Amino acid sequence: AQTVTQSQPEMSVQEAETVTLSCTYDTSESDYYLFWYKQPPSRQMILVIRQEAYKQQNATENRFSVNFQKAAKSFSLKISDSQLGDAAMYFCAYRSRQGGSEKLVFGKGTKLTVNP
Amino acid sequence: DVKVTQSSRYLVKRTGEKVFLECVQDMDHENMFWYRQDPGLGLRLIYFSYDVKMKEKGDIPEGYSVSREKKERFSLILESASTNQTSMYLCASSAPGAYSPLHFGNGTRLTVT
Repeated sequence: AQTVTQSQPEMSVQEAETVTLSCTYDTSESDYYLFWYKQPPSRQMILVIRQEAYKQQNATENRFSVNFQKAAKSFSLKISDSQLGDAAMYFCAYRSRQGGSEKLVFGKGTKLTVNP
Repeated sequence: DVKVTQSSRYLVKRTGEKVFLECVQDMDHENMFWYRQDPGLGLRLIYFSYDVKMKEKGDIPEGYSVSREKKERFSLILESASTNQTSMYLCASSAPGAYSPLHFGNGTRLTVT
């Protein structure tokens, strides 16, 4: 079974600076998808960014980008120019591309604090 | 805009009660999910459904059942609530395909006393 590990339970960053959240995963599959979700204190989880494993180019969404290292099974999230609204729990997730497997496997999360 | 609605934000129930958590989505999504979220444990999948009347067990189905009689509605049932089921419950839906993101509801904080 696939597992997702987020080794940093908590992180903090100064406003306007850059922070990187770590995520590693374990799988024997070669084709899959990876996601980062954000859960602000209001609780609704929203998608931040996603990556297809067969694409070598790292995904970017405005101030959010990933560093996808397939061989190392690593999928870190970089937040540039951090803003107070970035404070949240961040969850890394894995999803198999094999037919019939729609489940997402989540990591335990990293709580990000943004200091003014 | 995509909307997943969970019927209750907070719920307090007594041990042994039968509890229903309701979730409705307005996106015509085939897939619906129930996750449980606990501090330090992340999100754990209880059940998911990929079509009406179809369901599959997730990682922690014990003590729970589900019902999906209509495409837009997915109910989580605690047959006999216990204190160890005190938790945050998150419902989500998605279109078919592994690249489709999950859309989450606001969550239901259930306390069993």
